[in-house]
Amino acid sequence: DVKVTQSSRYLVKRTGEKVFLECVQDMDHENMFWYRQDPGLGLRLIYFSYDVKMKEKGDIPEGYSVSREKKERFSLILESASTNQTSMYLCASSPGRTLHFGNGTRLTVT
Amino acid sequence: AQTVTQSQPEMSVQEAETVTLSCTYDTSESDYYLFWYKQPPSRQMILVIRQEAYKQQNATENRFSVNFQKAAKSFSLKISDSQLGDAAMYFCAYRLGNAGGTSYGKLTFGQGTILTVHP
Repeated sequence: DVKVTQSSRYLVKRTGEKVFLECVQDMDHENMFWYRQDPGLGLRLIYFSYDVKMKEKGDIPEGYSVSREKKERFSLILESASTNQTSMYLCASSPGRTLHFGNGTRLTVT
Repeated sequence: AQTVTQSQPEMSVQEAETVTLSCTYDTSESDYYLFWYKQPPSRQMILVIRQEAYKQQNATENRFSVNFQKAAKSFSLKISDSQLGDAAMYFCAYRLGNAGGTSYGKLTFGQGTILTVHP
């Protein structure tokens, strides 16, 4: 079974902090994604990567950046966390047709 | 831009009964895929069913089936013989077809429908 692991299930950070959300997959997938989930809005794509060191903006990239130095790891970075970034963050990887999701990180910014 | 709309924020069903979740989408593309994902309280997103737009036959996976109306841009999910384990948030999602290059995984999701199953 594909395993996508997000390093934290819950995270509480202060406004202005730099926040790293980590995601690791164990199936050598080329494609990895970060989604944000909010009530009434569903999931929205923040950034994705289709190869090491390659990245593309999704629908809501503002306030976020990403890093993919190794194929198995895709990091989401909040350069200066704000309260409107309080949300559930879901990482996913894909070999092509099917997305495999992690269990999500619920981030609260106070 | 593609959009996906789920107009039912919440639905409920009695155990062993049938329930249908609605989804409509908007696209000008002809090659695309549609999905239903389930998210139980564990938060793990699970793929329930997938439909290729070029296939006229509705997809079926055990108790789960879809009614795909391409002209109407409608993609509803029917759950038969509902079980307590079906209780979850259900998301409808859209993705461009393989001709979209790096579009793999660039899903557009609906708002979600919370399904409650009563014993």
